[in-house]
Amino acid sequence: GAGVSQSPSNKVTEKGKDVELRCDPISGHTALYWYRQSLGQGLEFLIYFQGNSAPDKSGLPSDRFSAERTGGSVSTLTIQRTQQEDSAVYLCASSAEGYSTRDEQFFGPGTRLTVL
Amino acid sequence: AQTVTQSQPEMSVQEAETVTLSCTYDTSESDYYLFWYKQPPSRQMILVIRQEAYKQQNATENRFSVNFQKAAKSFSLKISDSQLGDAAMYFCAYRSAKTSGSRLTFGEGTQLTVNP
Repeated sequence: GAGVSQSPSNKVTEKGKDVELRCDPISGHTALYWYRQSLGQGLEFLIYFQGNSAPDKSGLPSDRFSAERTGGSVSTLTIQRTQQEDSAVYLCASSAEGYSTRDEQFFGPGTRLTVL
Repeated sequence: AQTVTQSQPEMSVQEAETVTLSCTYDTSESDYYLFWYKQPPSRQMILVIRQEAYKQQNATENRFSVNFQKAAKSFSLKISDSQLGDAAMYFCAYRSAKTSGSRLTFGEGTQLTVNP
């Protein structure tokens, strides 16, 4: 595809359940970022991938959050034992290299997660 | 740590008029990038304009221009000849130029309404 895609677009889950959010970056982009957008916290960084490795995962809010990236492409953000405070829009972005700080980050449309 | 502050939660402008959105930031770094992103109801973050801190000249992109005051750590966005399609949430963002894979640090956002 031409842009970053994310699935599902919306996810409603019950407290305590696990969820997986998927991100397909722009083809050829080696850098991938996850951000969270919530009412109380604004937009916050979660994790950065360069290829399949995550040099910066300092934004993950708790050990219930994990992410992986396979084949240098698709990334999955997993939230275990979801809590109501996890309700937010989860945005994924990719950039060509990540090494150059001039790289533009291209964003996907996000996944809106609602925890009941 | 860097912080970005947008003091105007909401702004409105008449179609064809000019509006200025404010942003201030705090950093101890001398080399960095500043951005304005637009987020329409579709949730997709779109880059509007970018400014490199080492450049004294203010960036412009068609109807969008910035007033970058490095000493004051101020980075405002001016939208000229406002159009209905400009209505969106606007985010100011900071990115370090020091390290690869640098995250974006966002302000709280300003909701812009364009009145016909």
